[in-house]
Amino acid sequence: DAGVTQSPTHLIKTRGQHVTLRCSPISGHKSVSWYQQVLGQGPQFIFQYYEKEERGRGNFPDRFSARQFPNYSSELNVNALLLGDSALYLCASSWGQGANTGELFFGEGSRLTVL
Amino acid sequence: AQSVTQLGSHVSVSEGALVLLRCNYSSSVPPYLFWYVQYPNQGLQLLLKYTSAATLVKGINGFEAEFKKSETSFHLTKPSAHMSDAAEYFCAVSASGSGGSNYKLTFGKGTLLTVNP
Repeated sequence: DAGVTQSPTHLIKTRGQHVTLRCSPISGHKSVSWYQQVLGQGPQFIFQYYEKEERGRGNFPDRFSARQFPNYSSELNVNALLLGDSALYLCASSWGQGANTGELFFGEGSRLTVL
Repeated sequence: AQSVTQLGSHVSVSEGALVLLRCNYSSSVPPYLFWYVQYPNQGLQLLLKYTSAATLVKGINGFEAEFKKSETSFHLTKPSAHMSDAAEYFCAVSASGSGGSNYKLTFGKGTLLTVNP
């Protein structure tokens, strides 16, 4: 079975541009979460979507937005890119909504470089 | 609110030696605790998790961790290191039970494990 897949794997943008990152969860998983991992740091929670509704939001500015589609795939959008947005963006999926409903599976990430 | 502190950003051991990676947590509700491993240019893989059942948790690849509420710790150990264990390890905490309304993990800054031949 396919794991969590993310695209693109690498991309380079310039300051002020917009980026869209995509994630396909494991088949049967209804929850998708997004994390930002800056070099040398642990991942930071950005969003969680469950059954197409936002269920959690981390401490990120409104430039960050996401959505989940009827097939449970998800997009993360970042507007007006800043140099500090350079990071590995990780998508994770799970069957249920919370940590008591099973394992969280991570994709390999989309590495964004902002010049 | 939850947080974790990983003591030691870099741990170096010899092949065959004991691996001990330290994690202390802070949580206002009973926590769920996790250890993840990240190999270069890859995502995170779950090693093990504590969800309020047995305090000694066994994971994959010979790793285990013990939940000690009195010490607010969840240290990761492996009796004998292998070269393939070289990676970055992250401790994470999540709210449990009714507080687990979402799957927000709060990660530590990570510990890079190097294994010397």
